[in-house]
Amino acid sequence: SAVISQKPSRDICQRGTSLTIQCQVDSQVTMMFWYRQQPGQSLTLIATANQGSEATYESGFVIDKFPISRPNLTFSTLTVSNLSPEDSSIYLCSVSPTVASTDTQYFGPGTRLTVL
Amino acid sequence: AQSVTQLDSQVPVFEEAPVELRCNYSSSVSVYLFWYVQYPNQGLQLLLKYLSGSTLVKGINGFEAEFNKSQTSFHLRKPSVHISDTAEYFCAVTFPFSGGYNKLIFGAGTRLAVHP
Repeated sequence: SAVISQKPSRDICQRGTSLTIQCQVDSQVTMMFWYRQQPGQSLTLIATANQGSEATYESGFVIDKFPISRPNLTFSTLTVSNLSPEDSSIYLCSVSPTVASTDTQYFGPGTRLTVL
Repeated sequence: AQSVTQLDSQVPVFEEAPVELRCNYSSSVSVYLFWYVQYPNQGLQLLLKYLSGSTLVKGINGFEAEFNKSQTSFHLRKPSVHISDTAEYFCAVTFPFSGGYNKLIFGAGTRLAVHP
């Protein structure tokens, strides 16, 4: 299994600002994912972060709003830009050792964002 | 399009009683199936997964699930619950031939509330 940490664990931000969330894994992994969990709802995949290439975004999510970096095999960042109250959610990072669909995804503890 | 339906948003149950959390999926292709648990203010933890073989899958914390292909279901069961099982439970699917990355599609979640 993988141990994943996220920073910050929670934050309160003003409308129009940005927040960058860090995800650190204790081992090298091929796949890193970013999910959003809106209040009382399920998880929605934002994007898949690939080391050495552009992130792959899901329908409804764009790079200008959610820029992602993946500088190496153990670290990724998600920035939520131009914040609005609708961005108030929990953002979770997950990892998978390989690209295989049989691999378990391991999740970080999440970052709880509140936008005022 | 593939989807996951968790039929109960909330399940209240008394301690030491049995419980079943229902999950149905819709897919025209083979799937891999997962159950995750999310304790309050934490990330997701894998309970169990079905890839192939025996349709009865045993997981951690005394949980098990049965894959039923004809009914496209993957219900989660536990014969005797504890207060500590109070959490949100998510069913998820991914696909064996997903183009090189294992995207998870989640159900809406079921909140299990165990009462003394």
